[in-house]
Amino acid sequence: DSGVTQTPKHLITATGQRVTLRCSPRSGDLSVYWYQQSLDQGLQFLIQYYNGEERAKGNILERFSAQQFPDLHSELNLSSLELGDSALYFCASSGDRTYEQYFGPGTRLTVT
Amino acid sequence: GQQLNQSPQSMFIQEGEDVSMNCTSSSIFNTWLWYKQDPGEGPVLLIALYKAGELTSNGRLTAQFGITRKDSFLNISASIPSDVGIYFCAGPPHNNAGNMLTFGGGTRLMVKP
Repeated sequence: DSGVTQTPKHLITATGQRVTLRCSPRSGDLSVYWYQQSLDQGLQFLIQYYNGEERAKGNILERFSAQQFPDLHSELNLSSLELGDSALYFCASSGDRTYEQYFGPGTRLTVT
Repeated sequence: GQQLNQSPQSMFIQEGEDVSMNCTSSSIFNTWLWYKQDPGEGPVLLIALYKAGELTSNGRLTAQFGITRKDSFLNISASIPSDVGIYFCAGPPHNNAGNMLTFGGGTRLMVKP
């Protein structure tokens, strides 16, 4: 158990809809990262938050947004969903001044 | 952006055999991380390397930070069925604004009992 929690575990929704994925980092970690993993693909970095502020942005679509709250949990919002958005979405967290990221169990999103 | 190339893409070995896989880049990395992902689960950090030439072990796993800083290697000795999974290398790309990681495409390991 990495200490990173994600909810929900599975999500099935229709095209055009909007969903919110939630992540709680390990106790004490200020950084939260979001990654997308499509079928048989590697992990694609989406966005990083550090103590409530956006720190780095990857190949995140404009339809996607994220935020980190004062209690350090983070949410990833996906809107106007398309079939191609079906993927595993992982959250990871890390402590200060380290690249060692610890991943949650992921949310499997299926868009039908 | 900077890419990490892993080889082999997949390997099917007999239980008890040793395994070697590698990760290469056209750019220098200052940190190398190795993760293992079981089906439907999140990646688990196995080993972190911070210095060129560094050799670090974690049980039957040994990873090395290449001297050129453009590659890293992971070896698994005496493989067992629970070693099955996808192994990813990762590192922070140059000019990294935060602490983001670039991941390789993974090496899928299958072990025959």
